[in-house]
Amino acid sequence: SAVISQKPSRDICQRGTSLTIQCQVDSQVTMMFWYRQQPGQSLTLIATANQGSEATYESGFVIDKFPISRPNLTFSTLTVSNMSPEDSSIYLCSVSITGDQPQHFGDGTRLSIL
Amino acid sequence: GENVEQHPSTLSVQEGDSAVIKCTYSDSASNYFPWYKQELGKGPQLIIDIRSNVGEKKDQRIAVTLNKTAKHFSLHITETQPEDSAVYFCAAPGEGSNYQLIWGAGTKLIIKP
Repeated sequence: SAVISQKPSRDICQRGTSLTIQCQVDSQVTMMFWYRQQPGQSLTLIATANQGSEATYESGFVIDKFPISRPNLTFSTLTVSNMSPEDSSIYLCSVSITGDQPQHFGDGTRLSIL
Repeated sequence: GENVEQHPSTLSVQEGDSAVIKCTYSDSASNYFPWYKQELGKGPQLIIDIRSNVGEKKDQRIAVTLNKTAKHFSLHITETQPEDSAVYFCAAPGEGSNYQLIWGAGTKLIIKP
């Protein structure tokens, strides 16, 4: 399966600032996804990152708050904008080599907002 | 849309015993069911998955069974070991999609020495 690297692995940020999380895959993949996982909770899909076009956001998530880029088939970024303590969470990148293949995850970015 | 329920939320078993975690789903058209293991500080790791054309799949100490009529699937871990302690998640495809997953709430598995 693909090797997925996320950066940073953790960060502590001040409220009102923004942080960009990077997801790098060691091979080309069709699908890339961004999830949020609150402590002790399940995974919630934020959006599907589409190569060469705007991301597809799930209900409750908007582009102004979580802008996503996907410039090629191996890289994507998620920005958490104008952060508040409620944004403290784990943010996970996952990939699927083709749309019909299983999803594989990076180890996530642990974000704390003060 | 698809709804996935997972039980129990916490499961404590003696080392060497078996553990079973069950998930139910609502969309009868769903045809792909993965199980993930998440250790502390790590991302979810796919441990086994099953497609709807089979009723059971095994990989060493891990097995998944699928009952399409009852719309439930279960994870079975035999001869549990301390390293099996983790949170386990089931998932099923979202409506009209095979790659967008709907996740269960998770089961914290504790292996007692």
